[in-house]
Amino acid sequence: AQKVTQAQTEISVVEKEDVTLDCVYETRDTTYYLFWYKQPPSGELVFLIRRNSFDEQNEISGRYSWNFQKSTSSFNFTITASQVVDSAVYFCALSEEGGSQGNLIFGKGTKLSVKP
Amino acid sequence: SAVISQKPSRDICQRGTSLTIQCQVDSQVTMMFWYRQQPGQSLTLIATANQGSEATYESGFVIDKFPISRPNLTFSTLTVSNMSPEDSSIYLCSVEGGTVSKTQYFGPGTRLLVL
Repeated sequence: AQKVTQAQTEISVVEKEDVTLDCVYETRDTTYYLFWYKQPPSGELVFLIRRNSFDEQNEISGRYSWNFQKSTSSFNFTITASQVVDSAVYFCALSEEGGSQGNLIFGKGTKLSVKP
Repeated sequence: SAVISQKPSRDICQRGTSLTIQCQVDSQVTMMFWYRQQPGQSLTLIATANQGSEATYESGFVIDKFPISRPNLTFSTLTVSNMSPEDSSIYLCSVEGGTVSKTQYFGPGTRLLVL
């Protein structure tokens, strides 16, 4: 069965620190997609990145980077030089090619607090 | 990506009443999705709404409680019926597609508090 685990419930850092948010997934499908979303206090869910199971290249976008490792079923997210505006709940999610459409499985989320 | 709006953005309702939430997209989309996010929790899919057909509900959600309409390719409504305090949640609609394929983009959500 598919599952997404975000073991870190809450993380608190001081501005300019680097922080890594962990995500471990389970799936039997060979083709699947992994996502990260950001939910600031306003409540809107903001798409950050999508990775498919055949693309293990790490990705960097500004201060954000993602490390996808199929060998450990992990898709971790690192914020470099964190800022107060990064404070939000971050969700990792999984969808399977063979699953029903729209079936996006979310982890429980990690609440990141960045203090000035 | 598609621009998605929801109305109302928030509401406070009395138990036993019903609330209809609207979701509008700025482009035509085949599938729209409705999620519930209970306080401090993750998102759970309620149903998938296709234009011209009945919505498909996930386990634990029924049409009598959460009727959905999808009159055209840019609009959908979700009604929360006969509300109780347990229905207090954020309700979000999403659509698939846009800049990145196989990706759902979400509306701003509707914060509902039931007293």
